[in-house]
Amino acid sequence: AQTVTQSQPEMSVQEAETVTLSCTYDTSENNYYLFWYKQPPSRQMILVIRQEAYKQQNATENRFSVNFQKAAKSFSLKISDSQLGDTAMYFCALKAAGNKLTFGGGTRVLVKP
Amino acid sequence: GAGVSQSPRYKVAKRGQDVALRCDPISGHVSLFWYQQALGQGPEFLTYFQNEAQLDKSGLPSDRFFAERPEGSVSTLKIQRTQQEDSAVYLCASSWGGGAFNLGTEAFFGQGTRLTVV
Repeated sequence: AQTVTQSQPEMSVQEAETVTLSCTYDTSENNYYLFWYKQPPSRQMILVIRQEAYKQQNATENRFSVNFQKAAKSFSLKISDSQLGDTAMYFCALKAAGNKLTFGGGTRVLVKP
Repeated sequence: GAGVSQSPRYKVAKRGQDVALRCDPISGHVSLFWYQQALGQGPEFLTYFQNEAQLDKSGLPSDRFFAERPEGSVSTLKIQRTQQEDSAVYLCASSWGGGAFNLGTEAFFGQGTRLTVV
């Protein structure tokens, strides 16, 4: 069984500053992927960034980057130069055998002007 | 359309009523997933199709829930004799690949159907 835990229910950040969201996970699989999804009020999940477990190099997508610590089973997301449009729920998710996503409980991010 | 389309966007059902939720995946996508998202929580897996084959239905909460994808494209999630605990947003997602060699494939989500059982 896979589990994903997000310990921060809500984070606030000033516009243009940096915020880091935490995520820990557990799986017995060796081959898996980790994802961060953004869910704005429209409810549509949007992929932010993904990381393959076999890759040591941390993934980066523009202002979004991850810190993947495989031994610690930790996968945090850093949002740099925060923008008002980043305000949303953020979900950490794991995909291993079976192809289904296992999501954490989410972190609400509020970017303040 | 270019994205995953779900209908209706909102559904209010009286307790005991049957409902059917529709998902139109992106054309050509092999895999289709249904998730249930309770208020303030993360989505939880319900079921998974690869083409028309339902490969995993382990997340369906009871035998009142039934999903089908008869031609490997459009899918319908049916809930019989709805209960208040069925109130949630039901999300559909599709991806082009399936199986162990496509774990990194991006899943594209629809906007969901918000079901309220009164």
